[in-house]
Amino acid sequence: DSGVTQTPKHLITATGQRVTLRCSPRSGDLSVYWYQQSLDQGLQFLIQYYNGEERAKGNILERFSAQQFPDLHSELNLSSLELGDSALYFCASSAGQDQPQHFGDGTRLSIL
Amino acid sequence: AQKITQTQPGMFVQEKEAVTLDCTYDTSDPSYGLFWYKQPSSGEMIFLIYQGSYDQQNATEGRYSLNFQKARKSANLVISASQLGDSAMYFCAMTLSHILTGGGNKLTFGTGTQLKVEL
Repeated sequence: DSGVTQTPKHLITATGQRVTLRCSPRSGDLSVYWYQQSLDQGLQFLIQYYNGEERAKGNILERFSAQQFPDLHSELNLSSLELGDSALYFCASSAGQDQPQHFGDGTRLSIL
Repeated sequence: AQKITQTQPGMFVQEKEAVTLDCTYDTSDPSYGLFWYKQPSSGEMIFLIYQGSYDQQNATEGRYSLNFQKARKSANLVISASQLGDSAMYFCAMTLSHILTGGGNKLTFGTGTQLKVEL
């Protein structure tokens, strides 16, 4: 158990819909990261927050947004969903900069 | 920009034998971290081992060791005494120092090596 909690584990929805993925980092970890894993793109970094502030951005689509709340949990919002958004979405957290990132079990998103 | 290359899409090893999974990296920055993660078929991503670019000794964690050859830019994972439960996908990854990136330290992953441990 990594200590990072992601909900829900599975999500099935239709094109055009909007979903919210939730992540609770390990106790004390200030950094939260979101990654997308798909068959064609592999593991891709989406966005990083540190203590509530956006710290780095990867190839995150404009239809996607995220935030980190004062209690340090984070949410990833995906809107206007397309078939290609089907993937495994991971949240990770770390105790600080340049520390190992520990991953949650992921949310498997399926778009029908 | 940083890049990770894993040239072995799949590997087989017999139970109780040692196995080496290859990883090479490319960066011009002097400060970076190298990681290995295990992803079983159930999907979770498990952190195995970390090596900092300035670490003098090779990292070890139980049956896992990282063979760090800085001049060759390689960071191979060695698993000793393989077990059936080691069958999984293994990813090599790296980060640059947040001081160099302006605060972010994303992981850049390789394409992974699928390891199968046989009886």
